[in-house]
Amino acid sequence: AQSVSQHNHHVILSEAASLELGCNYSYGGTVNLFWYVQYPGQHLQLLLKYFSGDPLVKGIKGFEAEFIKSKFSFNLRKPSVQWSDTAEYFCAVTDFLSGYSTLTFGKGTMLLVSP
Amino acid sequence: DTAVSQTPKYLVTQMGNDKSIKCEQNLGHDTMYWYKQDSKKFLKIMFSYNNKELIINETVPNRFSPKSPDKAHLNLHINSLELGDSAVYFCASRRTGGNTEAFFGQGTRLTVV
Repeated sequence: AQSVSQHNHHVILSEAASLELGCNYSYGGTVNLFWYVQYPGQHLQLLLKYFSGDPLVKGIKGFEAEFIKSKFSFNLRKPSVQWSDTAEYFCAVTDFLSGYSTLTFGKGTMLLVSP
Repeated sequence: DTAVSQTPKYLVTQMGNDKSIKCEQNLGHDTMYWYKQDSKKFLKIMFSYNNKELIINETVPNRFSPKSPDKAHLNLHINSLELGDSAVYFCASRRTGGNTEAFFGQGTRLTVV
């Protein structure tokens, strides 16, 4: 079964610092990759997604992620974080082997941005 | 207007009770999910339905019974509630197949006392 690892459980940054959150998945076939964000007390919202094509994808609010197939990775980046980026970030994967029926999440990374 | 709606948003109940959470989506999707988010924010899939048929049933106590009366609805019924059932439950939907994203409901915070 597919599994997703997010390396950092908690990240604390000051405003304007750069961000990189790691995500690795286990199944190496055709995958769809996602980053979701959950602001405090809210539901999950899609930040960005990768289906195919250019491995560097851009999402909302200045976020981007790079798919590196050889490393089974899909790391999230932002050049300069803001206080309003404080939230929980989840990487998720679905894959061809499962018929795209499952959507497996990592354990999440809590990002705290101090003003 | 809301794409995926869950009711209720909050549910406080006593141990041993039976309760239901409803989920409806107006996106025309044919796959729906229930996820449980525990106190550590870990999202664990519970069930997946495709065209009203159960596709995924993870290791979930049989006190939890999903019901999908039609493609737009996936309700979750929980019997004999236990303290450990306290969590936030999220419903989600997506179009079947690859290259589609999932949309999530607002969540139902269940507290068992």
